[in-house]
Amino acid sequence: NAGVMQNPRHLVRRRGQEARLRCSPMKGHSHVYWYRQLPEEGLKFMVYLQKENIIDESGMPKERFSAEFPKEGPSILRIQQVVRGDSAAYFCASSPTSGVLYNEQFFGPGTRLTVL
Amino acid sequence: SQQGEEDPQALSIQEGENATMNCSYKTSINNLQWYRQNSGRGLVHLILIRSNEREKHSGRLRVTLDTSKKSSSLLITASRAADTASYFCATVSSGGSYIPTFGRGTSLIVHP
Repeated sequence: NAGVMQNPRHLVRRRGQEARLRCSPMKGHSHVYWYRQLPEEGLKFMVYLQKENIIDESGMPKERFSAEFPKEGPSILRIQQVVRGDSAAYFCASSPTSGVLYNEQFFGPGTRLTVL
Repeated sequence: SQQGEEDPQALSIQEGENATMNCSYKTSINNLQWYRQNSGRGLVHLILIRSNEREKHSGRLRVTLDTSKKSSSLLITASRAADTASYFCATVSSGGSYIPTFGRGTSLIVHP
């Protein structure tokens, strides 16, 4: 049973380019969460999605950032017109259908974004 | 501000010693979770403790929860060099959002 998969593991972009980060949840999981981690910091929640629905995007910057979790395929976190401050590790987590209330989250290995 | 704050920020011990990390939080919680993160890796879930529980064990790990003090502790007994990692607590608030909120973590180094 494969765990949460993220790709790419490392992504380098120049200022103004677009970054696309992908996350495939564990088999049978329909809840996906995206977090951002800056060096020496904890994880900051960005967005919570279920298939074809954004449930909570309270942690997502209002501009340049978007996320989706289509019926088929991985969840995508998209950052348009990247700036140096977007450089961070982006983690995806998934949880079982019943949600995170009494369940652990399973984390992917992360995508490390570097903006030059 | 962060819901959970770990203390200390960094801890350095010798193999075989016990390591204790604390987590304080501000609002009422439904549950509290501890995670481990090895350098350059994703987080691994260790233990989940519910608000009506006071203590939980898993192997060499012992977690306590004191809701009156809004604090939790993670004890690693007989530590090993492989326990070197960052440890995070995450709180899930009661009522409203069920999104876990993470602290900044405790960096643990266990010297062989």
